[in-house]
Amino acid sequence: GAVVSQHPSWVICKSGTSVKIECRSLDFQATTMFWYRQFPKQSLMLMATSNEGSKATYEQGVEKDKFLINHASLTLSTLTVTSAHPEDSSFYICSARGGLGSETQYFGPGTRLLVL
Amino acid sequence: DQQVKQNSPSLSVQEGRISILNCDYTNSMFDYFLWYKKYPAEGPTFLISISSIKDKNEDGRFTVFLNKSAKHLSLHIVPSQPGDSAVYFCAASNAGNNRKLIWGLGTSLAVNP
Repeated sequence: GAVVSQHPSWVICKSGTSVKIECRSLDFQATTMFWYRQFPKQSLMLMATSNEGSKATYEQGVEKDKFLINHASLTLSTLTVTSAHPEDSSFYICSARGGLGSETQYFGPGTRLLVL
Repeated sequence: DQQVKQNSPSLSVQEGRISILNCDYTNSMFDYFLWYKKYPAEGPTFLISISSIKDKNEDGRFTVFLNKSAKHLSLHIVPSQPGDSAVYFCAASNAGNNRKLIWGLGTSLAVNP
């Protein structure tokens, strides 16, 4: 149980285009989902927290107009990187947590984004 | 300010022996602690967790110990296997911040055959 999937697993796009990454909890309802970014040889950096049906809460320094997050259902959250630039190239990982009483975050496999 | 610290960046252990990974924290509000295993270019895999009301939790070869007074926790893996070689992250959370995980920087474990 507690499986989280991400799609796509990798994507290459041209500078200026937008890219959407999906995060799904496959066997549980995720009231809260988190989006992370990992730079090479560094720890995970939390970008934003999203609760189902409400606006995402972004961490300091993360542009909310650049990284659009939607958490429209209890099993799906999406991250859209708008007008992507080469510096947005990174490894994006989502995690999902169940409802009240659930303290554990389960992570997706990650999405590798390369912006040319 | 690093609220969760893993002071050993790497650890090497012989197959079959015990691996002990350590983690210290500074925020006394943390009430839930987790250990994750991670391979490069993959998402972290949840291993084991412990609530602050406990001092030990065991799951198969993995045991986590929590010493609240010392603000210290450790992950014991016994017996260690070559497949355990990965980076291990300690993380902490509290109910007051939507269960955001505060991460250590990780310890790279190498289990040698």
